[in-house]
Amino acid sequence: DAGVTQSPTHLIKTRGQQVTLRCSPKSGHDTVSWYQQALGQGPQFIFQYYEEEERQRGNFPDRFSGHQFPNYSSELNVNALLLGDSALYLCASSLGTGPSPLHFGNGTRLTVT
Amino acid sequence: DQQVKQNSPSLSVQEGRISILNCDYTNSMFDYFLWYKKYPAEGPTFLISISSIKDKNEDGRFTVFLNKSAKHLSLHIVPSQPGDSAVYFCAAVRGSRDDKIIFGKGTRLHILP
Repeated sequence: DAGVTQSPTHLIKTRGQQVTLRCSPKSGHDTVSWYQQALGQGPQFIFQYYEEEERQRGNFPDRFSGHQFPNYSSELNVNALLLGDSALYLCASSLGTGPSPLHFGNGTRLTVT
Repeated sequence: DQQVKQNSPSLSVQEGRISILNCDYTNSMFDYFLWYKKYPAEGPTFLISISSIKDKNEDGRFTVFLNKSAKHLSLHIVPSQPGDSAVYFCAAVRGSRDDKIIFGKGTRLHILP
């Protein structure tokens, strides 16, 4: 039973570029959430996708966008990269009504130079 | 605006003794709380949760206590083992599957031999 998988594991981009990160949820899960974890901080909620729609959004600018596909996999896109976007990006999946624990992938480490 | 606060960045505990990790929250609308554990280069892993209708939940060596009046929860690990050395995140949510989970900054636990 595959858990949450993310690709790539590491990425180096230049300021101003665009990046796409990918996530496949745990088998049987239908909801995908994206988090940003800066150094020394806890994960910060970016947005959540369910039924191919953005259902919740955290305090992130419109440069951050996403998509969920019919197979429940998801992409996170960041445009016009800033140095401050350097962080670990975590994808998490979940299932069911009511609160349910998130299952996290190992993350994508993005470095913006 | 830190709604979930973990005021101890790190904690060292002798192997075999009890580890107590603390967490405070400010939003009285939170009604479901979770603890996650994170090893380097891995995503956070769900440990244990508690609903606001309870004041204690146990799972093996892990017990979470909730004091709603003080808006405080704690994670007890007994006995502490070397494999428990990790970063522990406290998280809270308002109980709807559509709502985002808010994480604290984490506490790094070192288990000393």
